[in-house]
Amino acid sequence: DSGVTQTPKHLITATGQRVTLRCSPRSGDLSVYWYQQSLDQGLQFLIQYYNGEERAKGNILERFSAQQFPDLHSELNLSSLELGDSALYFCASSVEGMSTDTQYFGPGTRLTVL
Amino acid sequence: AQKVTQAQTEISVVEKEDVTLDCVYETRDTTYYLFWYKQPPSGELVFLIRRNSFDEQNEISGRYSWNFQKSTSSFNFTITASQVVDSAVYFCALSEASGYALNFGKGTSLLVTP
Repeated sequence: DSGVTQTPKHLITATGQRVTLRCSPRSGDLSVYWYQQSLDQGLQFLIQYYNGEERAKGNILERFSAQQFPDLHSELNLSSLELGDSALYFCASSVEGMSTDTQYFGPGTRLTVL
Repeated sequence: AQKVTQAQTEISVVEKEDVTLDCVYETRDTTYYLFWYKQPPSGELVFLIRRNSFDEQNEISGRYSWNFQKSTSSFNFTITASQVVDSAVYFCALSEASGYALNFGKGTSLLVTP
């Protein structure tokens, strides 16, 4: 158990809908990262937050947004969902959000868009 | 350009065999960090090891060992006396000092049969 929690574990929804994925980092970690794992793209970095502020952006679609709250939990919002958004979404956390850190991953949220 | 290449897509071995998973990386940074993660069938990503670019010492942890060679930009992972519980997808990842995200390889799926 990495100490990173993600809810829900599974999510099934329809095209065009909006969903919210939630992540709580390990105790003491200030930075949260979101990654998407799909069969064709592999594991891709989406976005990073550090202590409530966006720090880095990867291949995140405009339909996707995220935020980190004062209690350091983070939410990833996915809207206007398409079939291709079906994937495993991971949250990771690290102490200071630097490249020197080790990122610890949560169990993931499996999103299925029908 | 892909920064981390795991050329072996799938490997199948019989229990007790030794197996080496290859990882080749590409970076212009002189300071970087290399990681291995394990993704068992249950789906979570488990951190195995981190190696800094300035530390070329090989590492052994039980049946696991890692060989880091800067001259060939490789960071290979060997499992000695493999066990069925080692069956998983293994990911090599690179973090550059100039960035924040992990760049993952496509992964190597290891199947250990009794």
